[in-house]
Amino acid sequence: LAKTTQPISMDSYEGQEVNITCSHNNIATNDYITWYQQFPSQGPRFIIQGYKTKVTNEVASLFIPADRKSSTLSLPRVSLSDTAVYYCLVGGSDTGRRALTFGSGTRLQVQP
Amino acid sequence: DAGVIQSPRHEVTEMGQEVTLRCKPISGHDYLFWYRQTMMRGLELLIYFNNNVPIDDSGMPEDRFSAKMPNASFSTLKIQPSEPRDSAVYFCASSPTASNQPQHFGDGTRLSIL
Repeated sequence: LAKTTQPISMDSYEGQEVNITCSHNNIATNDYITWYQQFPSQGPRFIIQGYKTKVTNEVASLFIPADRKSSTLSLPRVSLSDTAVYYCLVGGSDTGRRALTFGSGTRLQVQP
Repeated sequence: DAGVIQSPRHEVTEMGQEVTLRCKPISGHDYLFWYRQTMMRGLELLIYFNNNVPIDDSGMPEDRFSAKMPNASFSTLKIQPSEPRDSAVYFCASSPTASNQPQHFGDGTRLSIL
């Protein structure tokens, strides 16, 4: 099973770029990598999903090396409102529960 | 567009009582998921449905928990009888076409069992 490992917490300052790395050494060929953000008292919110190389949207970028054993979520110029917990999930459409395991996530604290 | 709608937002009840949590998924989404979140255990998948059929209920804690999806626009999670250790935030989510597709979460139900 493609278990994911993330740092428990990270600190940053407003305006900085933040990179959160997720390790998934046992990722399978059909697996996608998905990141979610969760604010206190809210449900997780989808940020970005990718399979390989680089994916960018209006919120973040996702970098995936060729071996796909890790991925990095990049948040450009964070603000206080980016303080949240970030989860990395790995799975394919045929992996059922495995694609739905959130793990402990990374708690990002952005300081002024 | 309306997102996933959960009710009630908060529920406080005494142990032994029956609790029913409700969820309306996004129209057109084939998958519906029920999660529970606590400080100790994080976000746990309880059960998920595909086209109203339960696919995996291995995360349901015990027989006191049951979930139904009578139609594509409604699901319930029932706890009977409730216990203090069931206190948590319960989230419902839906996704369009596959279990690994981006999920849309509701605002959750904060359940307190006294």
